[in-house]
Amino acid sequence: DQQVKQNSPSLSVQEGRISILNCDYTNSMFDYFLWYKKYPAEGPTFLISISSIKDKNEDGRFTVFLNKSAKHLSLHIVPSQPGDSAVYFCAASDRGGSEKLVFGKGTKLTVNP
Amino acid sequence: GAVVSQHPSRVICKSGTSVKIECRSLDFQATTMFWYRQFPKQSLMLMATSNEGSKATYEQGVEKDKFLINHASLTLSTLTVTSAHPEDSSFYICSARVGQGRNQPQHFGDGTRLSIL
Repeated sequence: DQQVKQNSPSLSVQEGRISILNCDYTNSMFDYFLWYKKYPAEGPTFLISISSIKDKNEDGRFTVFLNKSAKHLSLHIVPSQPGDSAVYFCAASDRGGSEKLVFGKGTKLTVNP
Repeated sequence: GAVVSQHPSRVICKSGTSVKIECRSLDFQATTMFWYRQFPKQSLMLMATSNEGSKATYEQGVEKDKFLINHASLTLSTLTVTSAHPEDSSFYICSARVGQGRNQPQHFGDGTRLSIL
């Protein structure tokens, strides 16, 4: 049972445009969400996070939006750059005190020059 | 930023061999490290949580006698895949958290590609 879902395995956008990566979750106990970026042959790199007490968190070109009622979060990258091309993973942890992160399968973003 | 080093990056060995993978936090102390496994086209799945100075906590379905975890210092955790078989072939990756608190992000090593012939 996939508790964190990234339904788009891939996304292609033009340089300078907005990239929107989506993530849905099913566990209502999740209260902390993270996005990681992964280049080939490297481990995931932490990008940005959001707590369930917020609905938006911004860091430079990256903004994460959280819609708790819809159990949906999205990562916006504006403007997109070719160096943003990578696999993006959404992850979540629950308020039960567990440190466990539950990951989605990832979305491969390609930013075309 | 926080750096986690994982070694080796790739292992190819015969069935029945035991393989040790090391995970080091290079510029910070990590009381807790995490071991994940990823099969092709699947998500990262937590195998176990490694706690310095105490026994690891294994996720349901993960054999603790098969996947031995040792976290003897604040900067090193090891995962040993004992008597590895072809079905153990996978991508293994560790992470460590900087500081205490659940909402501190985990920082990942670059992973180990294990291939059992």
